[in-house]
Amino acid sequence: GQQVMQIPQYQHVQEGEDFTTYCNSSTTLSNIQWYKQRPGGHPVFLIQLVKSGEVKKQKRLTFQFGEAKKNSSLHITATQTTDVGTYFCAVALISSGNTPLVFGKGTRLSVIA
Amino acid sequence: DAGVIQSPRHEVTEMGQEVTLRCKPISGHNSLFWYRQTMMRGLELLIYFNNNVPIDDSGMPEDRFSAKMPNASFSTLKIQPSEPRDSAVYFCASSFISGLRDEQFFGPGTRLTVL
Repeated sequence: GQQVMQIPQYQHVQEGEDFTTYCNSSTTLSNIQWYKQRPGGHPVFLIQLVKSGEVKKQKRLTFQFGEAKKNSSLHITATQTTDVGTYFCAVALISSGNTPLVFGKGTRLSVIA
Repeated sequence: DAGVIQSPRHEVTEMGQEVTLRCKPISGHNSLFWYRQTMMRGLELLIYFNNNVPIDDSGMPEDRFSAKMPNASFSTLKIQPSEPRDSAVYFCASSFISGLRDEQFFGPGTRLTVL
């Protein structure tokens, strides 16, 4: 069954609005990674979070790891058309054995200029 | 470094034909992953290798799919015989898993269409 849920599936925003995508797991996570895939492109690594409650920033992007290490969020402030794409979380489950990462279904972001 | 290299970039074939996808990982990486991406099922891990050894192939759909990694710089994913439902984008990714930061570097993908 699905081990990581990502919401929303789609998000349409006006340029300049904020955007947030959430990643939730019923299992405690070892770490979480975030990737961005532009239309027609391939996933590109953005960041990895490891510590409980960790917050990291990359310019307009803010990444947060939950205190219980079961959820994470990616927040984009003042979206731009260059932010268009699908954002995936990828999780390493403590109980997963040999499988290294499980990808969420992604959130597809559209930005209307 | 050129990054992960995949070939072909596009493949159109007829049902029943054999398809071979190729991947050259980033030099020095110790892990290689094959993924399949479709609108319906998202990004699915098919198989992954660590130091050229297959570790987990539980994502391989069925016996029609096979993957090999004869050396650290080359891997293949073969589908025989191919079926229309195999149509998807197949990504290869490589990583250096060290326990500290194990980001995956994806290739450009192979878009497979089975008619």
